[in-house]
Amino acid sequence: GDSVTQTEGQVTVSESKSLIINCTYSATSIGYPNLFWYVRYPGEGLQLLLKVITAGQKGSSRGFEATYNKEATSFHLQKASVQESDSAVYYCALSVNYNQGKLIFGQGTKLSIKP
Amino acid sequence: DAGVTQTPRHEVAEKGQTIILKCEPVSGHNDLFWYRQTKIQGLELLSYFRSKSLMEDGGAFKDRFKAEMLNSSFSTLKIQPTEPKDSAVYLCASSRDGNNQAPLFGEGTRLSVL
Repeated sequence: GDSVTQTEGQVTVSESKSLIINCTYSATSIGYPNLFWYVRYPGEGLQLLLKVITAGQKGSSRGFEATYNKEATSFHLQKASVQESDSAVYYCALSVNYNQGKLIFGQGTKLSIKP
Repeated sequence: DAGVTQTPRHEVAEKGQTIILKCEPVSGHNDLFWYRQTKIQGLELLSYFRSKSLMEDGGAFKDRFKAEMLNSSFSTLKIQPTEPKDSAVYLCASSRDGNNQAPLFGEGTRLSVL
């Protein structure tokens, strides 16, 4: 079936250091799913961070980037220099049947920033 | 624009009770989604409406969960009867056109079943 895997449940990074949050996916029902990163900041609702709907393309937002790698079936989230305000839970997701609201989510990665 | 509004924000129920969660999508949005989030299962799609028609009702949740959309600006999720395993955060999301737009999520209703 379709699934999303985030291997790290929690990541701690020092402020101004680089970040990578891993995401791999399996999409058996659809060849090229749309891929998303959602974020939940403390006390706020789930919100879209970035999305990429074309294999090989890169999405970016708020200093974060993710590249749709169909060979590796990966969509890792990266940032060159994190800030304390980036502390949040990040969710990788894919959509099936070309409907961007029908999402399959990873388990989420909680990012903590050390000052 | 107002976002997706969910009420109540918190609900406590006794086992066996009926509870109704409410959602107001963004005005003009045609697609509406209900999700459930638990620590074990993560985020799971419960129901999906397009232009008020139920398109998907999430197989495993059919027996005690019923989502309805009586008009384009209001949806409910009824759980009857509730069980402790239903304790979770229930999220509602909407989009103008699900084929081309990622949904906006509400802040969720945290349900605790005792």
